[in-house]
Amino acid sequence: EAGVAQSPRYKIIEKRQSVAFWCNPISGHATLYWYQQILGQGPKLLIQFQNNGVVDDSQLPKDRFSAERLKGVDSTLKIQPAKLEDSAVYLCAGGQPREAFFGQGTRLTVV
Amino acid sequence: GENVEQHPSTLSVQEGDSAVIKCTYSDSASNYFPWYKQELGKGPQLIIDIRSNVGEKKDQRIAVTLNKTAKHFSLHITETQPEDSAVYFCAASNGQAGTALIFGKGTTLSVSS
Repeated sequence: EAGVAQSPRYKIIEKRQSVAFWCNPISGHATLYWYQQILGQGPKLLIQFQNNGVVDDSQLPKDRFSAERLKGVDSTLKIQPAKLEDSAVYLCAGGQPREAFFGQGTRLTVV
Repeated sequence: GENVEQHPSTLSVQEGDSAVIKCTYSDSASNYFPWYKQELGKGPQLIIDIRSNVGEKKDQRIAVTLNKTAKHFSLHITETQPEDSAVYFCAASNGQAGTALIFGKGTTLSVSS
């Protein structure tokens, strides 16, 4: 089965600019997660979708981060405006409830 | 909410030795405990998991043990090989639909030949 696809792999932007990440999960996986992984730390949940709906976005900085999952398949995560502390790897994962199969992530550097 | 602590943060072993990584969790409702391996530049990959109705699970050189009373679980790797070198993460979830995995901070394992 195909894995979780994410793009771009790398992105460098200046602070206050905006950026968007894209994720295509494994076909049939109703649950989709976005995690933020700061260097040297474990993944931290940003938002969880079940099909089209948001299940948990309690850790999402909603003043600058937004995410959507149209038609219960692909998802995009946006940051606007970016801050230096947003530099991290953004991981998308999909699975059945309590499973998580990860993509390779997008490494964001904010300068 | 759930909090997962992981130790040690770094672990160096000689090829052929065993490696043990330990995690504790805070939420007694947690009942699913996966372990992930993350290689440089890649996303975390599930290597083994255990559910709360089982005390131990083994898959070739990898085993996981769970002590629900003490709220801790461990990853054991025997006969380590250089390709086992990576960052390992433990995680916990209560398994209910809509509950995401909470991860530990990771252990960097280095296996020298």
